[in-house]
Amino acid sequence: GENVEQHPSTLSVQEGDSAVIKCTYSDSASNYFPWYKQELGKRPQLIIDIRSNVGEKKDQRIAVTLNKTAKHFSLHITETQPEDSAVYFCAAFGSSNTGKLIFGQGTTLQVKP
Amino acid sequence: DTGVSQNPRHKITKRGQNVTFRCDPISEHNRLYWYRQTLGQGPEFLTYFQNEAQLEKSRLLSDRFSAERPKGSFSTLEIQRTEQGDSAMYLCASSQGARANIQYFGAGTRLSVL
Repeated sequence: GENVEQHPSTLSVQEGDSAVIKCTYSDSASNYFPWYKQELGKRPQLIIDIRSNVGEKKDQRIAVTLNKTAKHFSLHITETQPEDSAVYFCAAFGSSNTGKLIFGQGTTLQVKP
Repeated sequence: DTGVSQNPRHKITKRGQNVTFRCDPISEHNRLYWYRQTLGQGPEFLTYFQNEAQLEKSRLLSDRFSAERPKGSFSTLEIQRTEQGDSAMYLCASSQGARANIQYFGAGTRLSVL
């Protein structure tokens, strides 16, 4: 069935260090992979996404890489800041054509000042 | 605020009662999704509308759940005979156009069933 696995579940880094979150997906037909950031009590907000026709995308301190062969993708945050502390979710399109998203379980990132 | 709007933000109800939530998508977004999020988990897909047509429902959506989008704009999600296991955050998202478009989420309705 459709599944997205996300690791680690928690991640603690010192301010200025890098953070990496990894996800694997099961549906080889998935072609769109967004990452959402969710702060406590707030809506999930898209921070970056990647489509299957590219292998890497970067936006300032955030980058995402995609390996279609291995069916995994990763979020990289460099020069972390305390305001990066939140729960991060990866997602992939499900197998139907509706565009529903299948989410990972989430990673709680703590950036210590 | 031109984002996705959900009401109410919080709902506390007693087991067995019916509840209804509302979602107003971003104007002119033709696709609308409902997700459920429990503590410590990612959102789980419940159902999807394209305009007024409900095109997909998850197995999570038991017969106590019903969703509508009568005019292709706002949507309602009703839960009948609520159970404690229904306690969760109910999120709505909308998008426009082709399959690979971005989904914008609302802040959710947090349901607590006592």
